[in-house]
Amino acid sequence: EVQLLESGGGLIQPGGSLRLSCAASGFTFDSYGMNWVRQAPGKGLEWVSGISGSGGDTNYADSVKGRFTISRDNSRNTLYLQLNSLRGEDTAVYYCAKVRSLAAAGNIDYWGQGTLVTVSS
Amino acid sequence: DIQMTQSPSTLSASVGDRVTITCRASQSISSWLAWFQQKPGKAPKLFIYKASTLESGVPSRFGGSGSGTEFTLTITSLQPDDFATYYCQQYSRSPWTFGQGTKVEVK
Repeated sequence: EVQLLESGGGLIQPGGSLRLSCAASGFTFDSYGMNWVRQAPGKGLEWVSGISGSGGDTNYADSVKGRFTISRDNSRNTLYLQLNSLRGEDTAVYYCAKVRSLAAAGNIDYWGQGTLVTVSS
Repeated sequence: DIQMTQSPSTLSASVGDRVTITCRASQSISSWLAWFQQKPGKAPKLFIYKASTLESGVPSRFGGSGSGTEFTLTITSLQPDDFATYYCQQYSRSPWTFGQGTKVEVK
């Protein structure tokens, strides 16, 4: 059974940094791309970033480019998202999501339960 | 960026109704479209991918169709468990974009 368990969310001041983690199990982690998707309170879904199975290919939404960094440790079956220079509009539930293919891009087939990031002074 | 527009934003329906949700893309995405269901406080769940392929375990009353720029999600006979918000998403070209969501509520 595929399981994705996010952690690392919390309350952070504007301009601060946070690292989110997503522990994966139930599948061959390095064979699949992974994404981060976020959802602001009461709003819709926004794709944030994606990474290929090897970690060699990454992409970002314009809204986070230069501030967020996606990475993965295939030896630990863990996906990361480093969030820097945080702004109020980054407040959201951040979901880790598995892609059906090896590439960073593609159809999301599983989601974690999400971790809440609140940016506020 | 490819814009995804869903209609309606809210749909009021009764158990047993046939329900149709439309998703339009601002440019052709071939069949690279997925539909997700989300319930309050829960993560989204994949229901349909490649525009019309039902994910394993999803009830057969759900169906997807379309290609290019216009797509539909149909529920042939709405059940109590189906009241939720539905999102379409294109995965043809980065950034992968979602529709704004359609909330299916009790009439």
